Amino acid sequence: EAGVAQSPRYKIIEKRQSVAFWCNPISGHATLYWYQQILGQGPKLLIQFQNNGVVDDSQLPKDRFSAERLKGVDSTLKIQPAKLEDSAVYLCASSSFYGRTGSTDTQYFGPGTRLTVL
Amino acid sequence: SQKIEQNSEALNIQEGKTATLTCNYTNYSPAYLQWYRQDPGRGPVFLLLIRENEKEKRKERLKVTFDTTLKQSLFHITASQPADSATYLCALERNNRLAFGKGNQVVVIP
Repeated sequence: EAGVAQSPRYKIIEKRQSVAFWCNPISGHATLYWYQQILGQGPKLLIQFQNNGVVDDSQLPKDRFSAERLKGVDSTLKIQPAKLEDSAVYLCASSSFYGRTGSTDTQYFGPGTRLTVL
Repeated sequence: SQKIEQNSEALNIQEGKTATLTCNYTNYSPAYLQWYRQDPGRGPVFLLLIRENEKEKRKERLKVTFDTTLKQSLFHITASQPADSATYLCALERNNRLAFGKGNQVVVIP
């Protein structure tokens, strides 16, 4: 079974520029997550999709970050404009969780995109 | 606000010994607690999940305990091997949303 794919693996940009990350989840997984992991910290959830609908984006800085999951499969996360503090690894994860209250399912993470903002 | 604490100091341990990591939390009532392993340059990998009504879970050389009264989980790696060297993250889950601790690095010395 292929894992979660992300691209690019590395990106260096100047502050105020725009950047986009792409994620292809495990086939058949309904739920997709984007996390931000700053060096020395644990991952922080930015946004959670179930199919192509947003379930939770409470920690997404919506003035500069946006994400979409068209057709309920691939997803893109965009930052516009980038700030120095956005330097981090952006992780995508997916799970077969389908929203049943009280249940859970394992999240599978991709390798991440390391963003450096200069 | 919720807080998840893991020891920031790396744990250096001799091969063959048991490594024990601690995860403490406040202002949170997780339905599940999960442990992940993360290697440099890679995403976290799921290891174990324990439910709020479970006290202990085992998987091969791994053991997790969960005390909801103390708001603490302990993660044990028995008979540790150099290949176990990594950062271990605890994560609290409710409604399928994970909140991670900072992680605790383990170095197993041959």
